[in-house]
Amino acid sequence: QTVVTQEPSLTVSPGGTVTLTCASSTGAVTSGYYPNWFQQKPGQAPRALIYTTSNKHSWTPARFSGSLLGGKAALTLSGVQPEDEAEYYCLLYYGGAWVFGGGTKLTVL
Amino acid sequence: QVQLQESGPGLVKPSETLSLTCTVSGGSLSSYYWSWIRQPPGKGLEWIGYMSYSGSASYNPSLKSRVTILVDTSKNQFSLKLTSVTAADMAVYYCATYSSGGRAFDYWGQGILVTVSS
Repeated sequence: QTVVTQEPSLTVSPGGTVTLTCASSTGAVTSGYYPNWFQQKPGQAPRALIYTTSNKHSWTPARFSGSLLGGKAALTLSGVQPEDEAEYYCLLYYGGAWVFGGGTKLTVL
Repeated sequence: QVQLQESGPGLVKPSETLSLTCTVSGGSLSSYYWSWIRQPPGKGLEWIGYMSYSGSASYNPSLKSRVTILVDTSKNQFSLKLTSVTAADMAVYYCATYSSGGRAFDYWGQGILVTVSS
């Protein structure tokens, strides 16, 4: 059973920078896992932010960036805004199947 | 811009088959793979599977024996069938596009809550 692990919760101050990570139980996350990142606010559908590690969708704010960091996929928010408070999910590819992480609840306080 | 809208029964009895439809507007069914993702109340997301218009499919191994995704190009719709449902299948079901070139899940529907209860 493949498990994708994210921080359960993080807190950041407005204007600050925070990095969310996404780890695989199978070992280091590489570009071949094609990491995707999604934002979900209460009562809403998820919204795609990042695909294939670091590519942004046309609607993704510039303050969001994706990377690989220390064997994990990472999502960095720079200059955090109050509206960034949300649940964030990563998604990894395992040769034909995709597995979501458990999500990180980001609080902006 | 692609828009997706899920539809179907909001209540399914245990052991019966869950059937949902996703109607696509603003995009061609040949341009993407067509995916289903679900989220139990208060929990995280789970990828169910996807299908291309040409019939190439991939499913979550844990659900594969019970899941079928079909694409109907004549109606610009795709569907999900999940057999032998239990309470564990109660969730909000989302349809979404998958771009195989970019390995990206781009556009999502608003979701539909399916309750499993007798």
